[in-house]
Amino acid sequence: GAGVSQTPSNKVTEKGKYVELRCDPISGHTALYWYRQSLGQGPEFLIYFQGTGAADDSGLPNDRFFAVRPEGSVSTLKIQRTERGDSAVYLCASSLIGTGTDTQYFGPGTRLTVL
Amino acid sequence: KQEVTQIPAALSVPEGENLVLNCSFTDSAIYNLQWFRQDPGKGLTSLLLIQSSQREQTSGRLNASLDKSSGRSTLYIAASQPGDSATYLCAVEDGNMLTFGGGTRLMVKP
Repeated sequence: GAGVSQTPSNKVTEKGKYVELRCDPISGHTALYWYRQSLGQGPEFLIYFQGTGAADDSGLPNDRFFAVRPEGSVSTLKIQRTERGDSAVYLCASSLIGTGTDTQYFGPGTRLTVL
Repeated sequence: KQEVTQIPAALSVPEGENLVLNCSFTDSAIYNLQWFRQDPGKGLTSLLLIQSSQREQTSGRLNASLDKSSGRSTLYIAASQPGDSATYLCAVEDGNMLTFGGGTRLMVKP
């Protein structure tokens, strides 16, 4: 597609529920990234995929968070047993190669609210 | 652990002024530095990317400089316009991720 797309744009859930957030990267981009942005702060890194594999998941806050990219394109971020502190905007980005020399292009984000 | 700081946190200027946004980082072992713009409720738009071997990049009224040894970058905006009002974020790439500063919220008044 023309840019990175994310669905849903907004998600409201109750504490303890399971949620899935989807990211469609730019066609042909091998690298995909997830970030989380809390209100008034810069985004924080969660996980980086190179192709189908998670090359770096050091930013995932705990084992309630998991992400997959089974075919090397679309990625899903999964959050189990959601907590109010998980409320944030979840941003996805993709880049062509992911070597650290190319630009990351960001999607519009999914705003998650946990009640 | 890399830390990125942006000063000032907020800035309000009259239209037409030239202005400078500052970014500092603690670990100089970076691949590149990027400046992004974020409008309220929107994603990030990349403005400029400076590779670690470069000193500056220019795009229109924007000029970004990088001094890797001192861990500093500046974003210069010439002849500011109300449409420039947004949050500006700098981020350093140090391998597999971008580390962001907290941003500078810019308001340009007509």
